[in-house]
Amino acid sequence: DAGVIQSPRHEVTEMGQEVTLRCKPISGHDYLFWYRQTMMRGLELLIYFNNNVPIDDSGMPEDRFSAKMPNASFSTLKIQPSEPRDSAVYFCASSFGGLAFFGQGTRLTVV
Amino acid sequence: GENVEQHPSTLSVQEGDSAVIKCTYSDSASNYFPWYKQELGKGPQLIIDIRSNVGEKKDQRIAVTLNKTAKHFSLHITETQPEDSAVYFCAASSGSARQLTFGSGTQLTVLP
Repeated sequence: DAGVIQSPRHEVTEMGQEVTLRCKPISGHDYLFWYRQTMMRGLELLIYFNNNVPIDDSGMPEDRFSAKMPNASFSTLKIQPSEPRDSAVYFCASSFGGLAFFGQGTRLTVV
Repeated sequence: GENVEQHPSTLSVQEGDSAVIKCTYSDSASNYFPWYKQELGKGPQLIIDIRSNVGEKKDQRIAVTLNKTAKHFSLHITETQPEDSAVYFCAASSGSARQLTFGSGTQLTVLP
């Protein structure tokens, strides 16, 4: 298995634009997590899914953030409209049996 | 919710020496404690984990200890090598979802 695959690896966008981050979890994993990493706040859990169903989105910072998982092999995290303070590295992770594996992340820069 | 504190934030050791990173957690219901290594530009990589029914686990040069009474756990790396240089994160979780609460990370530098 290629592991958790995220795209794009880097994204630079202007303030106010919509940004969509994509994630393909490891096949067979039943949980999917979205994390955000910044110097100030470290690794923060934004939202997680179980069998494609959102379970806890209490970490989503604002209504500008939304996440979907239309099927077991794909998830998106959308920011609309984006703001400079959203600049961070966003990680997707998937797990089965408690072992979580992370993707390489998407470095988002909002200018 | 869970709160995980990690220290030190930075650690420099000479190649061949040992390194120890310590974490404490607040939620007594937490029962799973993984450690992740993050190299520059990459995602966190699981290197070892321990469950609450075990006090110690070892994998080659890496070991983790858990003290449930005191709510702390530690990562021990022996015979450090330059390639061990990275940021190390501890984490804690409970429940079936295993959503992780991370410590703030330790930048380990192994000096040749």
